[in-house]
Amino acid sequence: DAKTTQPPSMDCAEGRAANLPCNHSTISGNEYVYWYRQIHSQGPQYIIHGLKNNETNEMASLIITEDRKSSTLILPHATLRDTAVYYCIVRVAGGGYNKLIFGAGTRLAVHP
Amino acid sequence: EAQVTQNPRYLITVTGKKLTVTCSQNMNHEYMSWYRQDPGLGLRQIYYSMNVEVTDKGDVPEGYKVSRKEKRNFPLILESPSPNQTSLYFCASSSLAGVVFFGPGTRLTVL
Repeated sequence: DAKTTQPPSMDCAEGRAANLPCNHSTISGNEYVYWYRQIHSQGPQYIIHGLKNNETNEMASLIITEDRKSSTLILPHATLRDTAVYYCIVRVAGGGYNKLIFGAGTRLAVHP
Repeated sequence: EAQVTQNPRYLITVTGKKLTVTCSQNMNHEYMSWYRQDPGLGLRQIYYSMNVEVTDKGDVPEGYKVSRKEKRNFPLILESPSPNQTSLYFCASSSLAGVVFFGPGTRLTVL
């Protein structure tokens, strides 16, 4: 079973920031938080990941709470092309354990 | 361009006719895997491989075979496809403990 909880759907106006929450209250100290998205039926696309510090890249920012029990993915200026299902995944690092356990994700709809 | 490729992208076949879906990556990744995606069930891992000649079952391996004779290729084989294997299939690869990259998907329909 997925170790994360996400809202099933969210809306966002184009040009505004989209803030997608994720709860992972049972996360272990050696587990990273990963975010992927899936546009229509395309292959899941990697967005960002982090352990305990906030992270930013060209696609998004990831804010992880100090107790690591929840996180927020931020798309700073959402566009229509950001409409997708967003998956928050916790994953053990190292040891060659590369399996990803996908939950239901959050369906983000960006509207004009 | 670094990528995972799959072929074919779409396939309609009949029950019992053996088929192979190919997967190739050009990133020199050790780890490769196959997932299937079904409505209401999400993505589930079928098989994975941690290196050449090393493969193991994932969560839903029944009815599937894989092989890893070369580092870059990881074909998925359905020896006797059945309608319950109608699904969207994704190949994925990564370095050990690295970011997992997915292919574009293969939509399979078994009649």
